[in-house]
Amino acid sequence: DTGVSQNPRHKITKRGQNVTFRCDPISEHNRLYWYRQTLGQGPEFLTYFQNEAQLEKSRLLSDRFSAERPKGSFSTLEIQRTEQGDSAMYLCASSSLLQGRSSGANVLTFGAGSRLTVL
Amino acid sequence: DQQVKQNSPSLSVQEGRISILNCDYTNSMFDYFLWYKKYPAEGPTFLISISSIKDKNEDGRFTVFLNKSAKHLSLHIVPSQPGDSAVYFCAPGDSSYKLIFGSGTRLLVRP
Repeated sequence: DTGVSQNPRHKITKRGQNVTFRCDPISEHNRLYWYRQTLGQGPEFLTYFQNEAQLEKSRLLSDRFSAERPKGSFSTLEIQRTEQGDSAMYLCASSSLLQGRSSGANVLTFGAGSRLTVL
Repeated sequence: DQQVKQNSPSLSVQEGRISILNCDYTNSMFDYFLWYKKYPAEGPTFLISISSIKDKNEDGRFTVFLNKSAKHLSLHIVPSQPGDSAVYFCAPGDSSYKLIFGSGTRLLVRP
Protein backbone atom coordinates (compact mmCIF):
# COMPACT_ATOMS: atom_id res chain seq x y z
CA ASP A 1 0.00 0.00 0.00
CA THR A 2 1.36 3.43 -0.90
CA GLY A 3 -0.30 5.28 1.96
CA VAL A 4 -2.70 8.20 1.71
CA SER A 5 -2.61 9.92 -1.68
CA GLN A 6 -3.79 13.47 -2.32
CA ASN A 7 -4.24 15.29 -5.62
CA PRO A 8 -3.44 17.84 -6.79
CA ARG A 9 -0.47 18.69 -4.59
CA HIS A 10 -0.74 22.36 -5.38
CA LYS A 11 -3.60 24.40 -6.81
CA ILE A 12 -3.49 28.09 -7.66
CA THR A 13 -6.82 29.68 -8.45
CA LYS A 14 -8.46 33.05 -8.70
CA ARG A 15 -10.90 34.27 -6.12
CA GLY A 16 -14.44 33.15 -6.89
CA GLN A 17 -13.44 29.94 -8.68
CA ASN A 18 -14.36 26.45 -7.48
CA VAL A 19 -11.70 23.90 -6.61
CA THR A 20 -11.84 20.19 -5.83
CA PHE A 21 -9.31 18.05 -4.01
CA ARG A 22 -9.20 14.28 -4.05
CA CYS A 23 -7.99 11.89 -1.36
CA ASP A 24 -7.33 8.17 -1.71
CA PRO A 25 -6.97 6.64 1.77
CA ILE A 26 -5.23 3.46 2.81
CA SER A 27 -7.48 0.78 1.37
CA GLU A 28 -8.36 -1.05 4.57
CA HIS A 29 -9.08 2.14 6.54
CA ASN A 30 -12.76 2.86 7.06
CA ARG A 31 -12.36 6.35 8.52
CA LEU A 32 -11.31 9.35 6.44
CA TYR A 33 -10.59 12.86 7.70
CA TRP A 34 -10.07 16.30 6.22
CA TYR A 35 -7.99 18.88 8.07
CA ARG A 36 -6.80 22.34 7.12
CA GLN A 37 -3.46 23.86 8.13
CA THR A 38 -2.38 27.46 7.84
CA LEU A 39 1.08 28.88 8.43
CA GLY A 40 2.23 28.60 12.02
CA GLN A 41 -0.78 26.62 13.13
CA GLY A 42 -1.53 22.98 13.71
CA PRO A 43 -3.94 21.01 11.53
CA GLU A 44 -7.54 22.06 12.13
CA PHE A 45 -10.31 19.46 11.91
CA LEU A 46 -12.86 19.99 9.13
CA THR A 47 -14.85 16.76 8.76
CA TYR A 48 -14.68 13.00 8.88
CA PHE A 49 -16.33 9.95 7.34
CA GLN A 50 -16.83 6.43 8.55
CA ASN A 51 -17.21 4.43 5.36
CA GLU A 52 -19.51 6.61 3.20
CA ALA A 53 -21.26 8.35 6.10
CA GLN A 54 -20.14 11.86 7.01
CA LEU A 55 -20.30 11.70 10.79
CA GLU A 56 -19.05 15.08 11.89
CA LYS A 57 -18.44 18.52 10.40
CA SER A 58 -16.64 21.35 12.12
CA ARG A 59 -18.75 24.44 12.69
CA LEU A 60 -15.84 26.27 11.09
CA LEU A 61 -16.73 24.61 7.78
CA SER A 62 -18.77 27.14 5.83
CA ASP A 63 -21.51 26.24 3.34
CA ARG A 64 -19.02 26.78 0.54
CA PHE A 65 -17.21 23.62 1.58
CA SER A 66 -18.58 20.18 0.78
CA ALA A 67 -17.01 16.79 1.16
CA GLU A 68 -18.13 13.45 -0.20
CA ARG A 69 -17.07 9.84 0.05
CA PRO A 70 -19.62 8.20 -2.23
CA LYS A 71 -18.46 4.60 -2.15
CA GLY A 72 -16.60 4.59 1.10
CA SER A 73 -13.25 4.66 -0.67
CA PHE A 74 -11.82 7.92 -2.07
CA SER A 75 -13.12 11.32 -0.96
CA THR A 76 -13.41 14.75 -2.55
CA LEU A 77 -13.38 18.14 -0.88
CA GLU A 78 -14.89 20.94 -2.94
CA ILE A 79 -14.61 24.62 -2.16
CA GLN A 80 -17.01 26.87 -4.03
CA ARG A 81 -16.47 30.58 -4.69
CA THR A 82 -13.01 30.52 -3.18
CA GLU A 83 -11.82 33.40 -1.02
CA GLN A 84 -8.28 34.46 -0.20
CA GLY A 85 -8.82 33.24 3.35
CA ASP A 86 -9.23 29.72 1.99
CA SER A 87 -5.52 29.63 1.13
CA ALA A 88 -4.11 26.80 3.21
CA MET A 89 -2.80 23.25 3.14
CA TYR A 90 -5.65 20.75 3.00
CA LEU A 91 -4.69 17.47 4.63
CA CYS A 92 -6.43 14.17 4.29
CA ALA A 93 -5.95 11.32 6.75
CA SER A 94 -7.34 7.85 7.26
CA SER A 95 -7.50 5.43 10.14
CA SER A 96 -8.76 2.12 11.35
CA LEU A 97 -9.33 1.56 15.03
CA LEU A 98 -8.34 -2.06 14.53
CA GLN A 99 -4.82 -0.80 13.86
CA GLY A 100 -4.63 1.20 17.07
CA ARG A 101 -1.32 1.02 18.83
CA SER A 102 -0.80 -0.18 22.40
CA SER A 103 -2.54 2.89 23.76
CA GLY A 104 -5.73 2.04 21.84
CA ALA A 105 -5.39 5.38 20.15
CA ASN A 106 -7.01 6.25 16.84
CA VAL A 107 -3.82 6.85 14.88
CA LEU A 108 -4.38 8.92 11.77
CA THR A 109 -2.15 8.43 8.74
CA PHE A 110 -1.84 11.65 6.76
CA GLY A 111 -1.24 12.33 3.12
CA ALA A 112 1.24 14.95 1.93
CA GLY A 113 -1.53 17.51 1.54
CA SER A 114 -2.93 19.74 -1.19
CA ARG A 115 -1.81 23.34 -1.01
CA LEU A 116 -4.38 25.90 -2.15
CA THR A 117 -3.39 29.43 -3.13
CA VAL A 118 -6.23 31.82 -3.89
CA LEU A 119 -5.15 34.97 -5.70
CA ASP B 1 -11.19 28.07 22.73
CA GLN B 2 -7.79 26.45 22.53
CA GLN B 3 -8.06 22.97 23.98
CA VAL B 4 -4.42 22.15 23.25
CA LYS B 5 -1.53 24.54 23.74
CA GLN B 6 2.11 24.23 22.81
CA ASN B 7 3.53 27.40 24.25
CA SER B 8 7.03 27.13 22.83
CA PRO B 9 6.96 27.85 19.09
CA SER B 10 10.58 26.81 18.72
CA LEU B 11 13.36 24.94 20.47
CA SER B 12 17.05 24.64 19.61
CA VAL B 13 19.16 21.81 21.04
CA GLN B 14 22.69 20.55 20.55
CA GLU B 15 23.07 17.15 18.93
CA GLY B 16 23.32 14.42 21.55
CA ARG B 17 21.48 16.39 24.22
CA ILE B 18 17.90 15.95 25.39
CA SER B 19 14.99 17.71 23.67
CA ILE B 20 11.89 18.33 25.77
CA LEU B 21 8.70 19.44 24.06
CA ASN B 22 5.70 20.43 26.16
CA CYS B 23 1.96 20.39 25.68
CA ASP B 24 -0.91 21.58 27.89
CA TYR B 25 -4.56 20.73 27.46
CA THR B 26 -7.84 21.73 29.03
CA ASN B 27 -10.24 18.87 28.19
CA SER B 28 -10.15 16.18 30.86
CA MET B 29 -12.12 13.82 28.58
CA PHE B 30 -9.21 13.09 26.26
CA ASP B 31 -8.58 9.34 26.18
CA TYR B 32 -5.19 9.30 24.53
CA PHE B 33 -2.48 11.65 23.38
CA LEU B 34 -0.46 11.40 20.19
CA TRP B 35 2.68 13.16 19.03
CA TYR B 36 3.22 13.80 15.35
CA LYS B 37 6.30 15.00 13.53
CA LYS B 38 6.13 17.07 10.38
CA TYR B 39 8.82 17.81 7.83
CA PRO B 40 8.36 20.58 5.21
CA ALA B 41 6.19 19.61 2.23
CA GLU B 42 5.07 16.40 3.94
CA GLY B 43 2.05 15.45 5.98
CA PRO B 44 2.37 14.85 9.73
CA THR B 45 3.66 11.39 10.65
CA PHE B 46 2.78 9.55 13.82
CA LEU B 47 5.57 9.31 16.38
CA ILE B 48 4.36 8.00 19.73
CA SER B 49 1.21 7.88 21.83
CA ILE B 50 0.11 7.45 25.43
CA SER B 51 -3.16 6.38 26.98
CA SER B 52 -4.78 8.57 29.60
CA ILE B 53 -4.47 5.70 32.07
CA LYS B 54 -0.69 5.69 31.86
CA ASP B 55 1.92 8.22 32.88
CA LYS B 56 4.81 7.14 30.68
CA ASN B 57 5.38 5.46 27.35
CA GLU B 58 8.77 4.82 25.82
CA ASP B 59 9.79 3.91 22.27
CA GLY B 60 13.49 3.94 21.58
CA ARG B 61 14.81 7.49 21.90
CA PHE B 62 11.32 8.89 22.42
CA THR B 63 9.48 9.00 25.75
CA VAL B 64 6.19 10.68 26.48
CA PHE B 65 5.17 11.63 30.02
CA LEU B 66 1.62 12.44 31.06
CA ASN B 67 0.61 14.38 34.17
CA LYS B 68 -3.18 14.22 34.24
CA SER B 69 -3.61 16.32 37.35
CA ALA B 70 -1.68 19.15 35.70
CA LYS B 71 -3.18 18.42 32.26
CA HIS B 72 0.32 18.44 30.88
CA LEU B 73 2.37 16.12 28.74
CA SER B 74 5.88 16.22 27.42
CA LEU B 75 7.91 14.47 24.75
CA HIS B 76 11.53 13.69 25.51
CA ILE B 77 13.98 12.88 22.74
CA VAL B 78 17.36 11.58 23.85
CA PRO B 79 19.86 11.69 22.35
CA SER B 80 18.68 14.28 19.87
CA GLN B 81 19.86 13.92 16.29
CA PRO B 82 19.92 16.44 13.41
CA GLY B 83 17.33 14.31 11.58
CA ASP B 84 14.91 15.03 14.43
CA SER B 85 14.70 18.65 13.27
CA ALA B 86 11.02 19.09 12.40
CA VAL B 87 7.79 20.54 13.74
CA TYR B 88 6.23 18.46 16.52
CA PHE B 89 2.50 18.46 17.22
CA CYS B 90 0.70 17.28 20.29
CA ALA B 91 -2.68 15.78 19.31
CA PRO B 92 -5.07 14.43 21.93
CA GLY B 93 -8.11 12.40 21.00
CA ASP B 94 -11.29 11.07 22.56
CA SER B 95 -14.27 8.89 21.70
CA SER B 96 -15.25 11.25 18.89
CA TYR B 97 -12.45 9.67 16.79
CA LYS B 98 -10.93 12.98 15.80
CA LEU B 99 -7.64 14.52 16.93
CA ILE B 100 -7.22 18.08 18.18
CA PHE B 101 -3.82 19.48 17.28
CA GLY B 102 -1.69 22.01 19.10
CA SER B 103 0.06 24.77 17.17
CA GLY B 104 3.34 22.89 17.11
CA THR B 105 6.92 23.37 18.26
CA ARG B 106 9.71 23.68 15.72
CA LEU B 107 12.72 21.69 16.90
CA LEU B 108 16.18 22.42 15.55
CA VAL B 109 18.95 20.02 16.48
CA ARG B 110 22.32 21.62 15.85
CA PRO B 111 25.20 19.35 14.76
